[in-house]
Amino acid sequence: QVQLVESGGGVVQPGTSLRLSCVGSGFSFSNFGMHWVRQAPGKGLEWVAVIWYDGSNKYFADFVKGRFTISRDNSKNTLYLQMNSLRAEDTAVFYCARGPLNYYGMDVWGQGTTVTVSS
Amino acid sequence: QSALTQPRSVSGSPGQSVTISCTGTSSDVGGYNYVSWYQQHPGKAPKLMIYDVSKRPSGVPDRFSGSKSGNTASLTISGLQADDEADYYCCSYAGGYTFYVFGTGTKVTVL
Repeated sequence: QVQLVESGGGVVQPGTSLRLSCVGSGFSFSNFGMHWVRQAPGKGLEWVAVIWYDGSNKYFADFVKGRFTISRDNSKNTLYLQMNSLRAEDTAVFYCARGPLNYYGMDVWGQGTTVTVSS
Repeated sequence: QSALTQPRSVSGSPGQSVTISCTGTSSDVGGYNYVSWYQQHPGKAPKLMIYDVSKRPSGVPDRFSGSKSGNTASLTISGLQADDEADYYCCSYAGGYTFYVFGTGTKVTVL
């Protein structure tokens, strides 16, 4: 079945880095744009970043401000989010989500991976 | 880019209809027909319910419908059922570097 599985979350100190991964299965990964969306504890959804199906375009939310990088390896069906200079306010569940090419929306979501930034 | 504005909560009895509004600007909701809606039950991942303002993905009941007027999009749930109790988020394409912006979220309570 179509599935996205995130990993890489954990507890880290402020100012450090973390790389999240998201593996897709059950579909042609290289045919879809991919997004990262986060949700702070008790808060709403917040879009983080998108990468085109071929990696040719990348867009980020304003709050990323050069700290995060999105990338993908289509040979491994894997999406990445490299997060640097982490802050306490980055504490959240991070979801990866699939973005179809023929419409605007995110139609398949992973279960999420939790990032906690704390000293 | 500011979050789109949604009411904090709406409620209705089983069988009734509820409508959730999502207000943005001409730079997002009003500028494109690219509004999507997501349902999220506690502790679960979001689920796509509506895309491109009013289109339903396969498997989403036709009790869920979307529309847009000017800078405000709306999600209507007809024939409210207990399982519809969840948080709902709108999301709009915002163009350029921002790409997507989410709404503040609305908790739907089935009385």
